[in-house]
Amino acid sequence: NAGVTQTPKFRILKIGQSMTLQCTQDMNHNYMYWYRQDPGMGLKLIYYSVGAGITDKGEVPNGYNVSRSTTEDFPLRLELAAPSQTSVYFCASSSGQGGYEQYFGPGTRLTVT
Amino acid sequence: AQTVTQSQPEMSVQEAETVTLSCTYDTSESDYYLFWYKQPPSRQMILVIRQEAYKQQNATENRFSVNFQKAAKSFSLKISDSQLGDAAMYFCAYRSGWGAQKLVFGQGTRLTINP
Repeated sequence: NAGVTQTPKFRILKIGQSMTLQCTQDMNHNYMYWYRQDPGMGLKLIYYSVGAGITDKGEVPNGYNVSRSTTEDFPLRLELAAPSQTSVYFCASSSGQGGYEQYFGPGTRLTVT
Repeated sequence: AQTVTQSQPEMSVQEAETVTLSCTYDTSESDYYLFWYKQPPSRQMILVIRQEAYKQQNATENRFSVNFQKAAKSFSLKISDSQLGDAAMYFCAYRSGWGAQKLVFGQGTRLTINP
C-alpha cells in the first residue's frame, strides 16, 4: 500500500516557468489537500477537494490551480512561477469521516530562482 | 477563522526527561479535533496524537499525552522519557468537525534532545 505519493521530490524552476506537481493516493479517499510549508513555518492550505470534480480554495491559492478528474489524483499547477512560491509542498488525503487523520505525502521541495 | 498559536519556537530537553510543548487555539466552534504532528528531518508529517473536543479525557499514546483545557483553549503535548528519536519539529493543528475538515497549523516548535 503506497499511501500518498508525490512527484517530483525536488525541482528548480526559473521565474516565469510553469509546472505541475503530481499527487496520487491509493486509499480511495474522497478528501484531498495541498499545503505549502515555508521555511520555519507551519503548513498552509492552498487548495482542497472533497471529491472528483469538486475543488475549492484554501488560505493561499493565488498563483496555483488544481483539478480533480479522478478520486486518486489531485495535481497542483503552478503558472508563471515566482520566488515567493519557493516552498515545500505537501499533498494529503483523508476519508473525511469523523476524527480520521489526514495522510501526508513525502513532500516536494520547489525552488524558484 | 480559526487560529493556532505555538509560542515556543524551540525547546530542548535531556534524554529520559519530560518536556511539555504548548499550543493555544481560537475558535467559536463546539465540534472540532486537535492534533499534534511530528516532522523529523525527513520532512514526513507523522501523526502523534489526536483529541476530540467532545471528550473530557485527555488522549494518551504511549509516552505522549496531552493536557486539553477546553475552556482555556489550550492543548499541550507532554513527552515522557524523551528519546533521541523524538527530536523533530512538532506542529499543533486544529480541524473543524464539519465541512471539508481542513487542518489549520501552528508555527511549530523545534525540539532538541540532549544526550
